[in-house]
Formats: sequence, structure tokens, C-alpha cells
Amino acid sequence: KQEVTQIPAALSVPEGENLVLNCSFTDSAIYNLQWFRQDPGKGLTSLLLIQSSQREQTSGRLNASLDKSSGRSTLYIAASQPGDSATYLCAVRRDDYKLSFGAGTTVTVRA
Amino acid sequence: GAGVSQSPSNKVTEKGKDVELRCDPISGHTALYWYRQSLGQGLEFLIYFQGNSAPDKSGLPSDRFSAERTGGSVSTLTIQRTQQEDSAVYLCASSLGARKNTEAFFGQGTRLTVV
Repeated sequence: KQEVTQIPAALSVPEGENLVLNCSFTDSAIYNLQWFRQDPGKGLTSLLLIQSSQREQTSGRLNASLDKSSGRSTLYIAASQPGDSATYLCAVRRDDYKLSFGAGTTVTVRA
Repeated sequence: GAGVSQSPSNKVTEKGKDVELRCDPISGHTALYWYRQSLGQGLEFLIYFQGNSAPDKSGLPSDRFSAERTGGSVSTLTIQRTQQEDSAVYLCASSLGARKNTEAFFGQGTRLTVV
């Protein structure tokens, strides 16, 4: 069974600081990894999708890396803003369809 | 629509009643998934549809839960004889297909409260 762990569970930083969010998974035979953002009481917004053959993916201030062999992914958010405050979830796809999720990292960016 | 649409956004029901939750996926997306997010818990897989068929129902927690999809589009998740432990946010997602590297898009969820 695929286990996905996100550390830390919560993170508080001052505005402008870079954010580093970690995701680890036990089964390295994945097809892809997806990072999501969830605001309180809302659904999930897809941020980045990294294919199993890729090492990293970038979108604006977001950069995600993937090291399949060690079962790790890191999401970097540059120059954080209060609007970045949310819960960030990583999910890995091992079978053709099912996503296995971590419990998330709740981020607070202080103005 | 442009995204995955779920209705209702909130539902309060009495214990023992049946409820129906609806998901309208992104047009053209053949794969559809239901997940459940309980308070303080991670996302729990419930069921997966490819077209109108459900090759994986392994996550449905009991026989009180059922789901169907018609016309390869709209899906309905039905919970019969609701219990308080069914209270959660039910999330629906869709993707272009069961291809390995497709991106999943989620709706805003239905918050179910059983009183």
C-alpha cells in the first residue's frame, strides 16, 4: 500500500520568505505526482503535475522537484505572500487512476 | 462548464435519511473519481469511473454507499440510511482518461452534515 507523508504538518513564515514543503512516498513505482492547494472550506486546486520521467516542474513562483528513487518531492514557493496561506497536499498516482494523498501542510504567511 | 461542478455545496440531513450528491465533470473527461475528506483526516478514495462503468469500488465504506454515472458524464453518489460518521466533505474529480500521466481536477465539494 502506498503511504504518503507530508512534513511539516504546519508552517508559519513572514511574508517574503521562501516556503519549502516536503512530500515522501513509500512506493517509488509511481506514474506521476501532483501538488494541490486547498483553501478552508473549499475544494482542491491543482498547482503542478510532475510526470514520473521528470525531475522538476515550474509555474510562476512555484517549483516542484521529484526524486523517484528516494521517494521524495519538494514544493518551493518563492517570495511568499499572505495569499499563499492554505493547505498544500501532494498526491501520487501509482495505478492508472487512483491518487494517494498525504495529510497536507497548512501554511500561514504573516503580513 | 469550465470546471468540475458539485451540488449541493452543503447538505444537512437527519440520521437515517438518504442523500444524493451530484458531480458534473469537465466536458470530455472520461475518468471520474469520488473522494471523502473527514474532519482532520486525509482524502479517502471511494470509487472510480471510466465512462459509465466502475472498475474500482473498493473504497466504498459500506453497502449503504452506491454511485452511478450516466451518459459518461454526470455522476451521483447515494448514501442510504445516513449515520453521523458519514459527515464529511465529499469531493469529486475528473481527468481526461485513465492514461497514466493525466492531471486530476477537483470540484468544490459537498459538505455533508448528519444530525
